[in-house]
Amino acid sequence: LAKTTQPISMDSYEGQEVNITCSHNNIATNDYITWYQQFPSQGPRFIIQGYKTKVTNEVASLFIPADRKSSTLSLPRVSLSDTAVYYCLVGDINYGQNFVFGPGTRLSVLP
Amino acid sequence: DAGVIQSPRHEVTEMGQEVTLRCKPISGHNSLFWYRQTMMRGLELLIYFNNNVPIDDSGMPEDRFSAKMPNASFSTLKIQPSEPRDSAVYFCASSQGEYTGELFFGEGSRLTVL
Repeated sequence: LAKTTQPISMDSYEGQEVNITCSHNNIATNDYITWYQQFPSQGPRFIIQGYKTKVTNEVASLFIPADRKSSTLSLPRVSLSDTAVYYCLVGDINYGQNFVFGPGTRLSVLP
Repeated sequence: DAGVIQSPRHEVTEMGQEVTLRCKPISGHNSLFWYRQTMMRGLELLIYFNNNVPIDDSGMPEDRFSAKMPNASFSTLKIQPSEPRDSAVYFCASSQGEYTGELFFGEGSRLTVL
């Protein structure tokens, strides 16, 4: 399993773009990068997944540099409702034991 | 479409009692995961099944914990006997295909062992 490192917490203000970076220096060739969001009293929710370069969906963008040793989740124009914990998972998605969640990044969006 | 359904949502029991948590995965999903979440240890992967077969149970804390998946639409996580340190939120998740990386989580079962 590729070890991941994320900031423990981040603060932002409504309307700002938020970038959360995840370091994964020992990422392997078959590893994908997946981000989840968790609100209090709810289960995690899939946000986005990528292998290299840039992936964008209706919720977020995921930027992955060529060496793939880090990745950045970008949330455009956050609102108060984006306050949550964000998890970065790195692993071969063909093996269920790779779905291991670290401590995540607690994002607080302030008015 | 119905998501992953877990029951009970809340359970309060006394130490030594048996606890059974239930999960109904999304129809058509063939992988199922059980997680436990506490403030101290975060989200821990306990066990996962693929096509109803347990693949990896290395995360199960001890022999007091057992999980079964008798068919594609039902799984149980049992704790016998329960202890106060088992108090946590237990999540069930399912995914489609072999592993897509996209897990769909239930709302969790909050267990309190007194």
